[in-house]
Amino acid sequence: DAGVIQSPRHEVTEMGQEVTLRCKPISGHNSLFWYRQTMMRGLELLIYFNNNVPIDDSGMPEDRFSAKMPNASFSTLKIQPSEPRDSAVYFCASSANYGYTFGSGTRLTVV
Amino acid sequence: SQQGEEDPQALSIQEGENATMNCSYKTSINNLQWYRQNSGRGLVHLILIRSNEREKHSGRLRVTLDTSKKSSSLLITASRAADTASYFCATDDRGQGGKLIFGQGTELSVKP
Repeated sequence: DAGVIQSPRHEVTEMGQEVTLRCKPISGHNSLFWYRQTMMRGLELLIYFNNNVPIDDSGMPEDRFSAKMPNASFSTLKIQPSEPRDSAVYFCASSANYGYTFGSGTRLTVV
Repeated sequence: SQQGEEDPQALSIQEGENATMNCSYKTSINNLQWYRQNSGRGLVHLILIRSNEREKHSGRLRVTLDTSKKSSSLLITASRAADTASYFCATDDRGQGGKLIFGQGTELSVKP
């Protein structure tokens, strides 16, 4: 089992550019979560899906953020346009029942 | 919003000593989970304790839960340098649709 796979591992982009983060959950897991981690705010839940359907997006900071899950094996988190304050590590996690499996994260730097 | 609050924020001990981390939360929960995060990596699930359980063991880990005080503790016995990491508690909040809310974490340093 390869675990939760995120890409890219690192992303450096200029302010105003579109950024797309990708996640492949563990096969058979029916829930998928996007978190953001910063020193100041810790781990914040942005959005989660259950059976590919967005359940709660109350953590999405602004309309600049959007997430999709077109099928059970793929999800994207998009930021358009990106801003320096979006710099953080973005984690994807999946779950079957209890206990989350996290990916290694995408470290995003917006300059 | 933050649900779990860990204490202490940082802990430094010698190899072989025990490490105790505490977590407090605010609302009713279904379960409480502990995770470990090594520097630059994702979180790893360690142990889950349900709201009707008071204590649970897994190897060198011992977790307690006191729902009356809305608190939990994680004890790592006979610590090793490899235990150096950040440890997070997370609560499965009944009122939030079961999603996990993480605390700010305790940074544990185990010196050889």
